[in-house]
Amino acid sequence: EAGVAQSPRYKIIEKRQSVAFWCNPISGHATLYWYQQILGQGPKLLIQFQNNGVVDDSQLPKDRFSAERLKGVDSTLKIQPAKLEDSAVYLCASNPRGNTEAFFGQGTRLTVV
Amino acid sequence: GDSVTQMEGPVTLSEEAFLTINCTYTATGYPSLFWYVQYPGEGLQLLLKATKADDKGSNKGFEATYRKETTSFHLEKGSVQVSDSAVYFCVIANTGNQFYFGTGTSLTVIP
Repeated sequence: EAGVAQSPRYKIIEKRQSVAFWCNPISGHATLYWYQQILGQGPKLLIQFQNNGVVDDSQLPKDRFSAERLKGVDSTLKIQPAKLEDSAVYLCASNPRGNTEAFFGQGTRLTVV
Repeated sequence: GDSVTQMEGPVTLSEEAFLTINCTYTATGYPSLFWYVQYPGEGLQLLLKATKADDKGSNKGFEATYRKETTSFHLEKGSVQVSDSAVYFCVIANTGNQFYFGTGTSLTVIP
């Protein structure tokens, strides 16, 4: 079974530029998550989708971050404009249903300079 | 809100030593509990899980028991190996299926 696919693996941008990350979850997984992991910290939930609807985006900085999951399959996360403090690993995860584990992609390491 | 408090690291142990990493949580309802592990250069992967009170999750010699009365899910291993060197995360999934992570504990096992 293919895992959660993310791209790109690495991205370096200057502050105030924009960037987008892509995620393709495991086939059939209804729930998709985006997490931000700052160096030395645990992953922090940014947004949760159930199919193509948003379940929770309470921790998403909506003035600069946006995410969508068209057709309930793959998803993109965008940052515009980026700040230095956005430097982190952005993880995508998917989950087939409640009471099961979430499966994580390898992540995209973003460096804002 | 829901949260996880995890023992701070880093932890350094000699091979064959006993390992305990403490984890307590705050959640409404009955969350599912997990330990995830991140080996150097690799992604997050599930180590073990427990979905109801008194369940014991186990894998690769690691164990953790869901203790509802103390809201804890401590990770233990009787004899660690060099290959266990990694970062370990305690995680809860609440009734809304949101996953919350602890800060992670870095373990280094020396021969």
